[in-house]
Amino acid sequence: NAGVTQTPKFQVLKTGQSMTLQCAQDMNHEYMSWYRQDPGMGLRLIHYSVGAGITDQGEVPNGYNVSRSTTEDFPLRLLSAAPSQTSVYFCASSPEGGAGSGTGELFFGEGSRLTVL
Amino acid sequence: AQTVTQSQPEMSVQEAETVTLSCTYDTSESDYYLFWYKQPPSRQMILVIRQEAYKQQNATENRFSVNFQKAAKSFSLKISDSQLGDAAMYFCAYVGPGTYKYIFGTGTRLKVLA
Repeated sequence: NAGVTQTPKFQVLKTGQSMTLQCAQDMNHEYMSWYRQDPGMGLRLIHYSVGAGITDQGEVPNGYNVSRSTTEDFPLRLLSAAPSQTSVYFCASSPEGGAGSGTGELFFGEGSRLTVL
Repeated sequence: AQTVTQSQPEMSVQEAETVTLSCTYDTSESDYYLFWYKQPPSRQMILVIRQEAYKQQNATENRFSVNFQKAAKSFSLKISDSQLGDAAMYFCAYVGPGTYKYIFGTGTRLKVLA
């Protein structure tokens, strides 16, 4: 099983460039989310989605856009990259997400390391 | 707002010994989920153990167990018979009812000494 697949795994951008981090899952999970991981700060939620057509902001949404046109895909767009967006990005999915009827377990991709010069 | 605090940036343990990683959280909710995730050098995030707040019994998974103190809002992870493969970053995480915003602590780096 592929699980959660993130591409690319590494990317170097120049300030002001745009790019999209791709995330796809084959587990039919309704919940998908994006995190950034920075040294000493843990993982911080950027955006999340509870189903196709539904997205919402997390803790650090500025500078990032998302959309969810299908259950499987949840791309993260950087419209104008800044050095402050240098980080490792994780996509994670869950059958339902949250503290509800399911386990709430997040299934993570392998991460994408982004460097903005 | 809910917060998760891991006050130990780094811990060391001798192989085969026991180590406890600390996690405290702040919430006004009564029902929520708590998790410990492991991140080895490969960067992959792996679920170690989870706890549902309404369950009084502490969760266990083989050598991993938690000490869940709901009133004290404490959720520590105990690793018994530590192995070299346990060396990793460990993150504590919380998610509350009616929200889908998972909150992670800053992590504890565990070193296992041979």
